[in-house]
Amino acid sequence: AQSVSQHNHHVILSEAASLELGCNYSYGGTVNLFWYVQYPGQHLQLLLKYFSGDPLVKGIKGFEAEFIKSKFSFNLRKPSVQWSDTAEYFCAVNTPYNNNDMRFGAGTRLTVKP
Amino acid sequence: NAGVTQTPKFRVLKTGQSMTLLCAQDMNHEYMYWYRQDPGMGLRLIHYSVGEGTTAKGEVPDGYNVSRLKKQNFLLGLESAAPSQTSVYFCASSPWTGGVTGELFFGEGSRLTVL
Repeated sequence: AQSVSQHNHHVILSEAASLELGCNYSYGGTVNLFWYVQYPGQHLQLLLKYFSGDPLVKGIKGFEAEFIKSKFSFNLRKPSVQWSDTAEYFCAVNTPYNNNDMRFGAGTRLTVKP
Repeated sequence: NAGVTQTPKFRVLKTGQSMTLLCAQDMNHEYMYWYRQDPGMGLRLIHYSVGEGTTAKGEVPDGYNVSRLKKQNFLLGLESAAPSQTSVYFCASSPWTGGVTGELFFGEGSRLTVL
């Protein structure tokens, strides 16, 4: 089965800094990739997703992610973070053959200092 | 439109007790899921359902049972709770989108502590 690893457990940035959160998956076939965000006290919600086509996908709130097939990566980026981006970010993957089995990474907690 | 609602939000159990977590969705979604979230491990799929009357095992099904008697409800049961089941449990649903599972819609979570 597919698995996901997120490199950073906790990232601390100042406002206006650029953000890149790493995500790597292990699966040799076709995958669907997702980033979810959990703001403090709220439920998880979708930031962006990739199924096919342009490997650079844009999501809500200025986030984007790039799928690099050769590196099995789907890193999340934002050029300039805001205090309100403080949250936990989860990378997730499923496959078209078993698309109900969504596997999540351990999550990266982002703290943005004002 | 409430989305995905979980009850109860908090529960403390003693080892060996049983309980049921209820998940209800009002979006007419076909698929429903139960995950557990543990520190440093992200979310792990316990069981899921692709439609009324059907259930399937996920990544960590042992010690749990589920039922989907009605399309809008997905119940997660613990027959004999163990301290290892202390966790935050999330229910999610998603619509059928032509064979590709898209966005998961999550509930607010249920924090369970087993003493």
